[in-house]
Amino acid sequence: RKEVEQDPGPFNVPEGATVAFNCTYSNSASQSFFWYRQDCRKEPKLLMSVYSSGNEDGRFTAQLNRASQYISLLIRDSKLSDSATYLCVVNGGDSSYKLIFGSGTRLLVRP
Amino acid sequence: EPEVTQTPSHQVTQMGQEVILRCVPISNHLYFYWYRQILGQKVEFLVSFYNNEISEKSEIFDDQFSVERPDGSNFTLKIRSTKLEDSAMYFCASSAGQVLPGEQYFGPGTRLTVT
Repeated sequence: RKEVEQDPGPFNVPEGATVAFNCTYSNSASQSFFWYRQDCRKEPKLLMSVYSSGNEDGRFTAQLNRASQYISLLIRDSKLSDSATYLCVVNGGDSSYKLIFGSGTRLLVRP
Repeated sequence: EPEVTQTPSHQVTQMGQEVILRCVPISNHLYFYWYRQILGQKVEFLVSFYNNEISEKSEIFDDQFSVERPDGSNFTLKIRSTKLEDSAMYFCASSAGQVLPGEQYFGPGTRLTVT
């Protein structure tokens, strides 16, 4: 089983659509969870941390289900500028500072 | 807004040569990292560094690799004898001190091409 698994996409949606990304992770000892976005040939940029209670930042909502080892990201009212690859990221286990990246889900928002 | 910087942006080297990639982490951060991304593949962890020593490393980070914080601001990754398969984007990252692994901020990367 992959350490962090994501649907590769691409997700092709019109502007204004709501889109959801899902991710599963294999290490039950992971304690930190994040969504990053990566534009083509650029560095990963932190989008948001993901907390057990769920959290929202503007149009973005992240959820974590530790029992199912499942993380989600919801983007509402998508913009052209949201087009990017979305990376699900977890830490490597109890007290580990290494980040383990999923392969990413590509999002294309069309006019 | 503080950011991680990296130099050079692109490095071309011949197989067998040594390269040093440089990074300036965010100034009040205590944890430093190197990751790499081979074209078309996912980002992979190489090494973490805290309090002037390696705290964790991956199996990729073999004897050909070393890291150093030569002064109060720079953080370097050295590859002693480059191989073709070392061609990748190398990202430096840093994070503030915290109990649990916190948010890591990435530099723009150095594209290493080994010919």
